[in-house]
Amino acid sequence: GAGVSQSPSNKVTEKGKDVELRCDPISGHTALYWYRQRLGQGLEFLIYFQGNSAPDKSGLPSDRFSAERTGESVSTLTIQRTQQEDSAVYLCASASGRGRELFFGEGSRLTVL
Amino acid sequence: AQSVTQLDSQVPVFEEAPVELRCNYSSSVSVYLFWYVQYPNQGLQLLLKYLSGSTLVKGINGFEAEFNKSQTSFHLRKPSVHISDTAEYFCAVFGTSYGKLTFGQGTILTVHP
Repeated sequence: GAGVSQSPSNKVTEKGKDVELRCDPISGHTALYWYRQRLGQGLEFLIYFQGNSAPDKSGLPSDRFSAERTGESVSTLTIQRTQQEDSAVYLCASASGRGRELFFGEGSRLTVL
Repeated sequence: AQSVTQLDSQVPVFEEAPVELRCNYSSSVSVYLFWYVQYPNQGLQLLLKYLSGSTLVKGINGFEAEFNKSQTSFHLRKPSVHISDTAEYFCAVFGTSYGKLTFGQGTILTVHP
């Protein structure tokens, strides 16, 4: 597609359930990022994929969070045993080359009840 | 390591007044600098960027920013704002050795009639 696509756009889940968020980057973009935006706060870096290199997972807040990306295609962010503090908008972005300019998706809004 | 500080969390101004949104960064490596804008209920979009060359960069919607290496700042300015400029603005730094974009906490600009 023309832009970064994220799904679902909205997800409401119960505490303790697992959720999976999907990001479809711009075709040909080798870099892919996940950020979290809590209400009234800035963007918190979660994880960064660059081509076939090992991902930079330094921003993942706990071992309940994981992400995968196969090659230069779709990425999935998984949150296990969700907690209320996981409620946020999860933003995906992709970039070409060294990723100097990021293109963002609309985000997936997660609400944990 | 790298970090970004946006000095004002909220900036209210009247229409047609000038505005400056302040951003300071720290990084041990050379950087690229960005301003992104997020309109209500929308994703982030790039406003302007500094990669190299002239320290004064112009972006969309009449915004400009000046890179000041000695003061490690990248303040965003507009000489005359419109109601439609009401949005949240994020400053971001990309460390050329780190390969990831770090965002500030955001500044909410509210333009009043």
